[in-house]
Amino acid sequence: GQQVMQIPQYQHVQEGEDFTTYCNSSTTLSNIQWYKQRPGGHPVFLIQLVKSGEVKKQKRLTFQFGEAKKNSSLHITATQTTDVGTYFCASGTYKYIFGTGTRLKVLA
Amino acid sequence: DTAVSQTPKYLVTQMGNDKSIKCEQNLGHDTMYWYKQDSKKFLKIMFSYNNKELIINETVPNRFSPKSPDKAHLNLHINSLELGDSAVYFCASSHAQSGGNTIYFGEGSWLTVV
Repeated sequence: GQQVMQIPQYQHVQEGEDFTTYCNSSTTLSNIQWYKQRPGGHPVFLIQLVKSGEVKKQKRLTFQFGEAKKNSSLHITATQTTDVGTYFCASGTYKYIFGTGTRLKVLA
Repeated sequence: DTAVSQTPKYLVTQMGNDKSIKCEQNLGHDTMYWYKQDSKKFLKIMFSYNNKELIINETVPNRFSPKSPDKAHLNLHINSLELGDSAVYFCASSHAQSGGNTIYFGEGSWLTVV
């Protein structure tokens, strides 16, 4: 079945450093969504990308969908302690498959 | 107003017991889901219902039985609980079955089987 892998699994950064998580699929994706889950919380939708090569920004977050629609990335510029959490990519048509997640720790 | 609410939030129970988790959404969505998140944080879909009908049933043991009395509710009943069932169970909903719609998650039900 479809699998969506994310790397890295864990990332510790100093506050102010940049952070990137990558999402890779073996099959072409119709869309890609990104979610953030704070520690002890539930996943919360961040954004959706649909077009090949699409780039979207939300303040310090930049989301990109690959040209072949098989991969995506989330880049955070100048991390803050509020960025701590697990970031998931997800994709689907009739069911949403979530990536394996990247746990981000930001050290003050 | 909580959009997707599930109860109980915490549940500690013994092996072999039967338990239920209830979920309700007030967003007017027609599709609801159950996801299981294990200790490694992997989120796996278990079931999906569209307008009270089961549309996705992943390889989940028969001990897990979802029930949707109406499109705003999706409950999960678990028989003969096992240690490996310990996890966080998230109920979720979205506007439509097809892709491209935001999934709204409940706060989770933390199940511990001892």
